[in-house]
Amino acid sequence: GAGVSQSPSNKVTEKGKDVELRCDPISGHTALYWYRQSLGQGLEFLIYFQGNSAPDKSGLPSDRFSAERTGGSVSTLTIQRTQQEDSAVYLCASSPQGQGRVAETQYFGPGTRLLVL
Amino acid sequence: GDSVTQMEGPVTLSEEAFLTINCTYTATGYPSLFWYVQYPGEGLQLLLKATKADDKGSNKGFEATYRKETTSFHLEKGSVQVSDSAVYFCALRGSGGYQKVTFGTGTKLQVIP
Repeated sequence: GAGVSQSPSNKVTEKGKDVELRCDPISGHTALYWYRQSLGQGLEFLIYFQGNSAPDKSGLPSDRFSAERTGGSVSTLTIQRTQQEDSAVYLCASSPQGQGRVAETQYFGPGTRLLVL
Repeated sequence: GDSVTQMEGPVTLSEEAFLTINCTYTATGYPSLFWYVQYPGEGLQLLLKATKADDKGSNKGFEATYRKETTSFHLEKGSVQVSDSAVYFCALRGSGGYQKVTFGTGTKLQVIP
């Protein structure tokens, strides 16, 4: 079946421009995550959506970053006034997350490689 | 809050050597624990997981045991291959209700022939 898809796969932009990154999770998955992976670095949590609950935005690095999830499915990560330090691979993951102690696997998309010149 | 600490890499081993990648965590309650792997040029994928104390997750010759007493989930493999070269991430998901997943910083493994 279809996995998590992300678009665009690569994005080159100029400093100061806004960018939008899109994530299509696996159908039926209620949990959706955004991460950032900088060159040679680990995964940096950005934001987490779970069903109709308020998203956990605790990982967003600045108010230039925002994300929304429409209809509990597709999500868009927006970076306003991009800076060179925003250059990274942005990863989206989804899981069929339930309550309690169920170990739900995350399924990752291929990522969007963002380069800010 | 929850946190995961992994040994820093890169780790360089010869083929057929024994591998250990240390992972310790801080969390309340009984989190679920995971190892994810990212092969060169590929996306992250689940390697193995464990949901409760003393559980052992295993896959592709890799093993990790959930140790509540030492809050650890070390990854081991008895004989590594060149094809195991990748970045390995330890992660946890908190217990109770809806919980996000917290990842470690990743450990790069390079296996040389």
